[in-house]
Amino acid sequence: AQSVSQHNHHVILSEAASLELGCNYSYGGTVNLFWYVQYPGQHLQLLLKYFSGDPLVKGIKGFEAEFIKSKFSFNLRKPSVQWSDTAEYFCAVNRGGYSSASKIIFGSGTRLSIRP
Amino acid sequence: NAGVTQTPKFQVLKTGQSMTLQCAQDMNHNSMYWYRQDPGMGLRLIYYSASEGTTDKGEVPNGYNVSRLNKREFSLRLESAAPSQTSVYFCASSGQNYGYTFGSGTRLTVV
Repeated sequence: AQSVSQHNHHVILSEAASLELGCNYSYGGTVNLFWYVQYPGQHLQLLLKYFSGDPLVKGIKGFEAEFIKSKFSFNLRKPSVQWSDTAEYFCAVNRGGYSSASKIIFGSGTRLSIRP
Repeated sequence: NAGVTQTPKFQVLKTGQSMTLQCAQDMNHNSMYWYRQDPGMGLRLIYYSASEGTTDKGEVPNGYNVSRLNKREFSLRLESAAPSQTSVYFCASSGQNYGYTFGSGTRLTVV
């Protein structure tokens, strides 16, 4: 069975600091990978996704993630965070392929707090 | 606006009461999902529907039932609510691009 691990439960940074949130998954086959963000009181929104091709994926709001297949990792990065990045971040995975019915498994989330 | 619409946004139930959470999408997506979100546990899949006419259990289906009424609508029913079902419930749909579009959530409290 697939699973996703996010080891950082709560990260606190100052504005302009660099960010890296860890994500590891367990699944031996082809995968699709996602990062979602949930701002306080809101629903989840897609930050970025990886299906195939260039393992360095750029998303919205200056975020990027790198897929390292040998490490089963898909870490999220941002060079300089802003106070408005305060949110909860979820890594997620589903089986790669052509089926739209492949359910997504989510990690437990990382809460990011940015000090002004 | 295209998207996923959930109703109601908030609900308080007494233990043993029943209710149905409604979800509708207008993006012509084949697949729809119900998740619950609890602090420190991320999102856990309750039920999903790969296509109209099919439903399958997810990780935490006990105490819930679902109906895929048509391609647009996927409802979640609590027959006899329990305090352990206090949570935020999210409906989502997906099409060929594999990513999900989420609804705005239903905050349910069972007392």
